Amino acid sequence: GAGVSQTPSNKVTEKGKYVELRCDPISGHTALYWYRQSLGQGPEFLIYFQGTGAADDSGLPNDRFFAVRPEGSVSTLKIQRTERGDSAVYLCASSLNPGTSTDTQYFGPGTRLTVL
Amino acid sequence: AQSVTQLDSHVSVSEGTPVLLRCNYSSSYSPSLFWYVQHPNKGLQLLLKYTSAATLVKGINGFEAEFKKSETSFHLTKPSAHMSDAAEYFCVVSASDSSASKIIFGSGTRLSIRP
Repeated sequence: GAGVSQTPSNKVTEKGKYVELRCDPISGHTALYWYRQSLGQGPEFLIYFQGTGAADDSGLPNDRFFAVRPEGSVSTLKIQRTERGDSAVYLCASSLNPGTSTDTQYFGPGTRLTVL
Repeated sequence: AQSVTQLDSHVSVSEGTPVLLRCNYSSSYSPSLFWYVQHPNKGLQLLLKYTSAATLVKGINGFEAEFKKSETSFHLTKPSAHMSDAAEYFCVVSASDSSASKIIFGSGTRLSIRP
């Protein structure tokens, strides 16, 4: 079946611009997660949705970052006034059993964001 | 706070020899633990997971890991390396006792395979 998909695969933008990154989870998965992976590092948690609501947004670095999931499926990560330090690969994951000890996350291929 | 430490940033082995990727965790409870693999320009793929059942966990592609509470370790092993195993490997721990919905990644170990 179809896995998690993310668009675009690559995004180049200029400092100060606004960007939107899209994630399409596995059908039927109620939980959706966003991570940021900087070069040479492991992914860092940003935000987790259960259904339409953000269950945990403690990883968002500042108020320039915002994410929505209006219908409980597709999610958009929005970054305002981008900075060069925002350059990273943004990963999305989804899971079927959120809030349980057996929850397993399935990852998309990521969006590589480059801020010039 | 929960954390994982991957003891080697880079491991190089010859094809056909055993693989050992080391991971130690810090947790105030019995955590859920995972190993993910990331091939170049591909998404993260789950290799295996431990969730308080059997301490020896078998995963895909011949990998396995053993949960050792006394050593707070969850090392990843494979008896015989294949060229296709070259990738980045991440050890992951759950951030809470009852839920694996928030997980914490280690910094990764890059595995190279020599012909």
